[in-house]
Amino acid sequence: EIVLTQSPATLSLSPGERATLSCRASHNISTYLSWYQQKLGQAPRLLIYDTSNRATGISARFSGSGSGTDFTLTISSLEPGDFAVYYCHHRSSWPPVLAFGGGTKVEIK
Amino acid sequence: QVQLQESGPGLVKPSETLSLICTVSGGSINSYYWSWIRQPPGKGLEWIGYIYYSGSTNYNSSLKGRVSISVDMSKNQFSLKLTSVTASDTAVYYCARDRGILGIDPWGQGTLVTVSS
Repeated sequence: EIVLTQSPATLSLSPGERATLSCRASHNISTYLSWYQQKLGQAPRLLIYDTSNRATGISARFSGSGSGTDFTLTISSLEPGDFAVYYCHHRSSWPPVLAFGGGTKVEIK
Repeated sequence: QVQLQESGPGLVKPSETLSLICTVSGGSINSYYWSWIRQPPGKGLEWIGYIYYSGSTNYNSSLKGRVSISVDMSKNQFSLKLTSVTASDTAVYYCARDRGILGIDPWGQGTLVTVSS
């Protein structure tokens, strides 16, 4: 069973700053990792799939990288709407079992 | 554009069965995996299980024995049943489309289910 560990738990930054979020997998998961943004009271929204592909309508300020066990979500210049909780996610190929990281909260400093 | 909407009781008594329906609109349920995911208040996301349109299922091992997911293709719906609920099952329950490597998208808006007498 894959375990995803996100760090840090909380990231305190100012608008305009760069955010770097980490997700570490307990085993090699190739590039099968997605990232989601969740704002308070809302459902999660897909940002990035297959490590580095932006979902439809997602700003180029969001980028993903990594492979194997170490993955990164970067927000190049934080805007007010980016302050939220971010989750990484992996779906194993067979059987299709889903795992989520514990989340990183990006808050205004 | 595919949209998902959860429906069902917002309050369930301990030891009873939680039942939710997810209605898919704007597209057919006749492909992809369809998942239920929950989020206890103030906590992270927990995958409950999925169903493929063909009817095959898989569940989170932590819930096995209590959970079942079914699909009704004639109504473009899939359903969740969770038996013998306790207060720890209180959560916002989301239904979502699982596109595999393409990610989970879209999600329903979520419905809060509280387990309390």
